[in-house]
Amino acid sequence: DVKVTQSSRYLVKRTGEKVFLECVQDMDHENMFWYRQDPGLGLRLIYFSYDVKMKEKGDIPEGYSVSREKKERFSLILESASTNQTSMYLCASSLTASGSSYEQYFGPGTRLTVT
Amino acid sequence: RKEVEQDPGPFNVPEGATVAFNCTYSNSASQSFFWYRQDCRKEPKLLMSVYSSGNEDGRFTAQLNRASQYISLLIRDSKLSDSATYLCVVNRNAGKSTFGDGTTLTVKP
Repeated sequence: DVKVTQSSRYLVKRTGEKVFLECVQDMDHENMFWYRQDPGLGLRLIYFSYDVKMKEKGDIPEGYSVSREKKERFSLILESASTNQTSMYLCASSLTASGSSYEQYFGPGTRLTVT
Repeated sequence: RKEVEQDPGPFNVPEGATVAFNCTYSNSASQSFFWYRQDCRKEPKLLMSVYSSGNEDGRFTAQLNRASQYISLLIRDSKLSDSATYLCVVNRNAGKSTFGDGTTLTVKP
């Protein structure tokens, strides 16, 4: 079974703090993704990575950065947290292989509250 | 216009009912298609992939119409445990996906 784990289920941070959200997958997947999910807005892609040290902006990258130093780990960084970044953050991974359907496997999510 | 649009719902149906969800996508270059299920306060999980020929998994049937850029999910003989939000997902390239906002289904006794 593919397992995607996230460092925290719940996190409370203050405005202006630097926040790190960690994600680890154990299936040697090339692709990793960070989404946020908000009521009425669905899942929105923040950043994704298709290889170590590679990253691409998603649909809403502003205010976020990412790091992928190892294949299994993909970190999301909020350089200076703001209240509008209060959200559920979901990490996912998928395989890139000939014939792959790119099914994504999700972690349990981190509910971040910025006060 | 959103890249992936779903029926807004919510759908409230009795046990045993048949219910259908629809989804349209705007990018004709989209390559692969899925239905995911998300339970309350849980992560999305793959329900089934969607193929041009249509595919069935027990009580669930998915259809894809590339010409109309339309995807559907049919659930027969609804169970209480089918209550969830169903997400239509379209892959663009390199595994990047666009998610619909989801349709909420509640199956009542």
